Amino acid sequence: KQEVTQIPAALSVPEGENLVLNCSFTDSAIYNLQWFRQDPGKGLTSLLLIQSSQREQTSGRLNASLDKSSGRSTLYIAASQPGDSATYLCAVSPGNNNDMRFGAGTRLTVKP
Amino acid sequence: DTGVSQDPRHKITKRGQNVTFRCDPISEHNRLYWYRQTLGQGPEFLTYFQNEAQLEKSRLLSDRFSAERPKGSFSTLEIQRTEQGDSAMYLCASSLSSGASTDTQYFGPGTRLTVL
Repeated sequence: KQEVTQIPAALSVPEGENLVLNCSFTDSAIYNLQWFRQDPGKGLTSLLLIQSSQREQTSGRLNASLDKSSGRSTLYIAASQPGDSATYLCAVSPGNNNDMRFGAGTRLTVKP
Repeated sequence: DTGVSQDPRHKITKRGQNVTFRCDPISEHNRLYWYRQTLGQGPEFLTYFQNEAQLEKSRLLSDRFSAERPKGSFSTLEIQRTEQGDSAMYLCASSLSSGASTDTQYFGPGTRLTVL
């Protein structure tokens, strides 16, 4: 059974810092990995999707990497801003995007 | 396009009552997913549809839960004889699957269910 773990569970940084969020998964046979953002009481917003054949994806200040063999992904946020404060979730799909398994998330607070 | 919408946004019910939630996906999306999320946890997959066909159901989806997507557009999730353990946020997502590749899942705002 695929288990997804995110470390740390919570992170607080001052504005402007670069930071890294970690995601690990137990079964390397994945189809893709996604990073999502969730604001309190809201739905999820997709940030980046990495197909299993890819190593990384970039969008603005965000960069996500994928190392399937070691079962790890990182989300790098450059020059953090207070508006980045949210919970960040990673999810892996065993095949063609059904039955996504999510981690419990990292709750990020960026202090002005 | 207004994205994925869910109705109601909040539902409070008494134990033993039946509840039904609705999800309207992005119009051209052929896949629709239901997830459940409890406080401090990531979403857990419940079921998904490709067009009107329900292709997969999680073991989390007990006999009290039923989902439909009768015309391949909107979907409903019904919970019968609700229990306090059903209290959670119920999230709907949709995506466009073209076979060879899969687009991102787009999530709705969720329906928060509280069972008293």
